[in-house]
Amino acid sequence: RKEVEQDPGPFNVPEGATVAFNCTYSNSASQSFFWYRQDCRKEPKLLMSVYSSGNEDGRFTAQLNRASQYISLLIRDSKLSDSATYLCVVNTNAGKSTFGDGTTLTVKP
Amino acid sequence: NAGVTQTPKFQVLKTGQSMTLQCAQDMNHEYMSWYRQDPGMGLRLIHYSVGAGITDQGEVPNGYNVSRSTTEDFPLRLLSAAPSQTSVYFCASLPGGRDTEAFFGQGTRLTVV
Repeated sequence: RKEVEQDPGPFNVPEGATVAFNCTYSNSASQSFFWYRQDCRKEPKLLMSVYSSGNEDGRFTAQLNRASQYISLLIRDSKLSDSATYLCVVNTNAGKSTFGDGTTLTVKP
Repeated sequence: NAGVTQTPKFQVLKTGQSMTLQCAQDMNHEYMSWYRQDPGMGLRLIHYSVGAGITDQGEVPNGYNVSRSTTEDFPLRLLSAAPSQTSVYFCASLPGGRDTEAFFGQGTRLTVV
């Protein structure tokens, strides 16, 4: 079993739709959690950190459930520019980052 | 502010050749890492370093060596290239600690023929 698993996708949604991505992790010692965005095999860039209390950044909402070892990302009112691959990332205390395989989102007009 | 600089951006090697991928950061970050990304997959950790003089293996270390003689540089050496090492390689640096953002270089697209 992979240490970080994501919905395989791809997700194809119309503009304005709400879409949710899920991620599970197996290492209970994991300490910090992130969502990264990657465009067309370019370098990944941080989208947002994920906090236990849940956090929101504009149209994006991230949730963490430590008991279930589950992370989610919700995108509301999807834009064409949201089309990308979204990577779930989990850090351990050792500073090692483990990436999920990513979920590809295509937003269509 | 250059951030994380990787060279070269593209490389073609013949099976059995060796080469070094360069990575440099100018942000005085303690942590640096090398990842590879194969088509349709996420990033897999090859080697990482938590400070100058300290390196450790990641998930897929075989066939690669690293060293960290300075805070700024973290080169990745392919000892004897194999077609299975055809991939996109990313170098990343982090300020240190577990809650910090990773900054990535632009990647090196390596093909081994």
